[in-house]
Amino acid sequence: EAGVVQSPRYKIIEKKQPVAFWCNPISGHNTLYWYLQNLGQGPELLIRYENEEAVDDSQLPKDRFSAERLKGVDSTLKIQPAELGDSAVYLCASSLGVGGQETQYFGPGTRLLVL
Amino acid sequence: GQNIDQPTEMTATEGAIVQINCTYQTSGFNGLFWYQQHAGEAPTFLSYNVLDGLEEKGRFSSFLSRSKGYSYLLLKELQMKDSASYLCAARSAGSYQLTFGKGTKLSVIP
Repeated sequence: EAGVVQSPRYKIIEKKQPVAFWCNPISGHNTLYWYLQNLGQGPELLIRYENEEAVDDSQLPKDRFSAERLKGVDSTLKIQPAELGDSAVYLCASSLGVGGQETQYFGPGTRLLVL
Repeated sequence: GQNIDQPTEMTATEGAIVQINCTYQTSGFNGLFWYQQHAGEAPTFLSYNVLDGLEEKGRFSSFLSRSKGYSYLLLKELQMKDSASYLCAARSAGSYQLTFGKGTKLSVIP
């Protein structure tokens, strides 16, 4: 069974440029999460989707970050414009059911460097 | 909210046993997870505890005491490949949000 797929794996951009990350969850997983992980820190939740609905986006910086999961399967996270402090690893995770009660499985992440 | 505390770094010898502790403070608790993360890779699920006691899974075991807000991950017969960061995460009741600790970087030496 394929795991969570993310692309690109690495991205280098200049500040003020836009950037987008893509995630395809494990087949059949209804809940999708985007996390941010800084070096030496644990992942921090940005947004959680149940099917196509964003049910928890309280920690998403909405002035520059946006996300969508239009058909309830794959998802895109966008930053526009990127700032130096956005350099981090962006992890996508998925879990089977809704309500967040099941185990979360993570993708390999996108490592972003903003110059 | 949640506050998760775990040691930053630990070193242990190949073949030995190591215990990684995690304490949590929470306004609502619904389970404790342990993940392993090798450098530059995704966190991978190791264990889940929601009731008090010990859960054993091969060389790895995890313990939970809800009354003490305490968990540990026990790794037996350490191998070099066990060198990684180990993340403790507590799940909130209601929102089911996972709050992660900063991770414990374990180095296994010959």
